[in-house]
Amino acid sequence: GAVVSQHPSWVICKSGTSVKIECRSLDFQATTMFWYRQFPKQSLMLMATSNEGSKATYEQGVEKDKFLINHASLTLSTLTVTSAHPEDSSFYICSARDGRQGAYRAFFGQGTRLTVV
Amino acid sequence: AQTVTQSQPEMSVQEAETVTLSCTYDTSESDYYLFWYKQPPSRQMILVIRQEAYKQQNATENRFSVNFQKAAKSFSLKISDSQLGDAAMYFCALLNNNDMRFGAGTRLTVKP
Repeated sequence: GAVVSQHPSWVICKSGTSVKIECRSLDFQATTMFWYRQFPKQSLMLMATSNEGSKATYEQGVEKDKFLINHASLTLSTLTVTSAHPEDSSFYICSARDGRQGAYRAFFGQGTRLTVV
Repeated sequence: AQTVTQSQPEMSVQEAETVTLSCTYDTSESDYYLFWYKQPPSRQMILVIRQEAYKQQNATENRFSVNFQKAAKSFSLKISDSQLGDAAMYFCALLNNNDMRFGAGTRLTVKP
């Protein structure tokens, strides 16, 4: 089946530094990538949607200058948390939508646990 | 924007019994897919079942089945012969061309 690889699985960083999370679709072309944030015991909250080659669309309340999303190719999207602060500590999950027309399927990465100290 | 609502924060079922998890949604799109995902403590999202909106027949995957009522925008999950391994968070999700959203989730406990 389709595989989405997300790295790193966990990261600890100091407050004020930046962290990059990668999401790769290994055996299919992902025309759309979804990025989510999940706080403990809560649901997946959509942060932004990115389409290959175009700017990401951010959800209301999500700072686009803080959460930089790049989707430069059909198999790779990155989320960079800039100037991270303790309140950014969370679980981040990417999801890649199969790009074949009519293929309404989304595959999830393993998630990244970010801790900002 | 589309929305997904799960009104049952927690559900409990006896092993081998049947349980139904509820989900309602709202979308202005005519072409969309609905999903139920299971999230164990590892937090890996596991697809349980998928339903195409244009299909009237309810999807079934072994012990898992859905009751899809398009007019009512309802999409419930039935788990038959519940097993201890079914205990997890369950999320209902709605996917269309450029948007995928989740409900708040239902924590399912299975009692031996």
